[in-house]
Amino acid sequence: GAVVSQHPSRVICKSGTSVKIECRSLDFQATTMFWYRQFPKKSLMLMATSNEGSKATYEQGVEKDKFLINHASLTLSTLTVTSAHPEDSSFYICSARVRQGNQPQHFGDGTRLSIL
Amino acid sequence: AQKITQTQPGMFVQEKEAVTLDCTYDTSDQSYGLFWYKQPSSGEMIFLIYQGSYDEQNATEGRYSLNFQKARKSANLVISASQLGDSAMYFCAMRVISGGYNKLIFGAGTRLAVHP
Repeated sequence: GAVVSQHPSRVICKSGTSVKIECRSLDFQATTMFWYRQFPKKSLMLMATSNEGSKATYEQGVEKDKFLINHASLTLSTLTVTSAHPEDSSFYICSARVRQGNQPQHFGDGTRLSIL
Repeated sequence: AQKITQTQPGMFVQEKEAVTLDCTYDTSDQSYGLFWYKQPSSGEMIFLIYQGSYDEQNATEGRYSLNFQKARKSANLVISASQLGDSAMYFCAMRVISGGYNKLIFGAGTRLAVHP
């Protein structure tokens, strides 16, 4: 149980393109999902907490207008990288947590974004 | 400040031997949770083991055990009978409450190489 699906797994696109990444909890409901960014050989950096039915909570230094997050249902959150530039190239990974208790966050497989 | 520290950037171990990956944490919270995740080269984050701050017993999951020393604020991961497939990055993480939300903060990670 507790499977999180992330799509697409890899994106290569031109500078200026907007890219949407989807994160779905397949077998549980997630009122909260999380978006992370990971640079090569570095740790995960939390970008924002995505809340179903309300605005996302962004971490300090993360541009809200650059990284648009929508959490329209209990099983889907999307991250849109708007007008992407080469410096946005990175590994983006989402996670979701089952509501109750001390359950761990379950992660999607990540998206490798390359902006040319 | 809440922080996770992994002081070993890289470790290697002989197949079938046991290995300990170090993790220390800093928090003033009384209630917290500690997690270990494995990240293979393919990028997905795999949950391994969880330890709650009030748990009196060290957590175990198959070949994984967590050496929880609360007074020392350490939560080392022990992998017994290492296998070649254990080669990966390993991240220690702590659940914290910030801005009203549960979040995970990650250590820098330890790259484990298992040699035949």
